[in-house]
Amino acid sequence: AQSVTQPDIHITVSEGASLELRCNYSYGATPYLFWYVQSPGQGLQLLLKYFSGDTLVQGIKGFEAEFKRSQSSFNLRKPSVHWSDAAEYFCAAVGAGNMLTFGGGTRLMVKP
Amino acid sequence: DTAVSQTPKYLVTQMGNDKSIKCEQNLGHDTMYWYKQDSKKFLKIMFSYNNKELIINETVPNRFSPKSPDKAHLNLHINSLELGDSAVYFCASESQGSTEAFFGQGTRLTVV
Repeated sequence: AQSVTQPDIHITVSEGASLELRCNYSYGATPYLFWYVQSPGQGLQLLLKYFSGDTLVQGIKGFEAEFKRSQSSFNLRKPSVHWSDAAEYFCAAVGAGNMLTFGGGTRLMVKP
Repeated sequence: DTAVSQTPKYLVTQMGNDKSIKCEQNLGHDTMYWYKQDSKKFLKIMFSYNNKELIINETVPNRFSPKSPDKAHLNLHINSLELGDSAVYFCASESQGSTEAFFGQGTRLTVV
């Protein structure tokens, strides 16, 4: 079955520290991959997406993600986290059937 | 000029009632979706709908029904509301052939 897994439910980092949020997918073929952010009480905003080509994808708000086929991963990174980055982050994929499937989310907390 | 808008933003109602959540998109997209986000933040697709096809997630109770008066609207009707229906419901839309979905701000439904 197609699935997206985010192993970390919660992550806490200090402001200014680097961040990596993990995402693994299980699909027959490489799906299209996305990262969304959900701020408290808000909807989902697309941070970045990967369809093909360069495996390092740049997104908004200083985020980037790297697609690694050998690891079936699409981890999200940011070199220096800001307090405003505290939110829920969702990895998602679209494969056969064209349905967007989400991972369980990772809640990011930022310490001052 | 909100791209995908949902109303109401909050809805509190008693068990057994029938309610509707409205969704409108002004992006000219062909396909619209409804997602349910439970208390653990897990996002699950409920329906996918375009002018040709309605795809229903088989786990969705038939008390839930999407109604599309036109291409720009996909409303969600819920009959005989139950406590377990309490969640945040997100509407989304995308253009046919695209895989980038745009989300509304969500409707927080509380059944008491």
